[in-house]
Amino acid sequence: GEDVEQSLFLSVREGDSSVINCTYTDSSSTYLYWYKQEPGAGLQLLTYIFSNMDMKQDQRLTVLLNKKDKHLSLRIADTQTGDSAIYFCAETPPSGKLIFGQGTELSVKP
Amino acid sequence: DAGITQSPRYKITETGRQVTLMCHQTWSHSYMFWYRQDLGHGLRLIYYSAAADITDKGEVPDGYVVSRSKTENFPLTLESATRSQTSVYFCASSSLRASLPGTDTQYFGPGTRLTVL
Repeated sequence: GEDVEQSLFLSVREGDSSVINCTYTDSSSTYLYWYKQEPGAGLQLLTYIFSNMDMKQDQRLTVLLNKKDKHLSLRIADTQTGDSAIYFCAETPPSGKLIFGQGTELSVKP
Repeated sequence: DAGITQSPRYKITETGRQVTLMCHQTWSHSYMFWYRQDLGHGLRLIYYSAAADITDKGEVPDGYVVSRSKTENFPLTLESATRSQTSVYFCASSSLRASLPGTDTQYFGPGTRLTVL
């Protein structure tokens, strides 16, 4: 079936790197996404990776995709207090519907 | 303003009442979605619509009704609200043209926090 798993919490110190991990089940997913949700707000697309890529870098964000293990990670370099939010991983299986993970709450301590 | 909006932002109602949550988008996106967000469950799809007058069930459709008479609007109705429907509801839209990379990106509204007493 379609399922996306994430750890629920991550706590880091300001300036450190954060790594948020995700596993998914559908190897035929075309795109894999990371969404960010700030307190009291909707989800905003942070970045995405096409399934034939291994890595994508966008400023402080690095997405790594291991298709063999169906593992996706989001690395945030030099994490700031403004990065505190819930981060959702999502896949798009052939059904066309986005399947979200439970979300990882990132807490950045000064 | 352009974008996707939801109303009301906050709603308190009582068990058994009918409640309608509104969603409006100005991009003429074909697809629209309703999710609910609950602790420990992430986002779960309630209903979605591929175009006007076309709707389909998601993961948790029971107790909800949708309609899509116009492309830009996608209201969600709780016909007889129950306490288990207390949640934050998000509407999203997408152009979902798979031939263009990233066009299945979904854009989310700000959410409606619904409390059923």
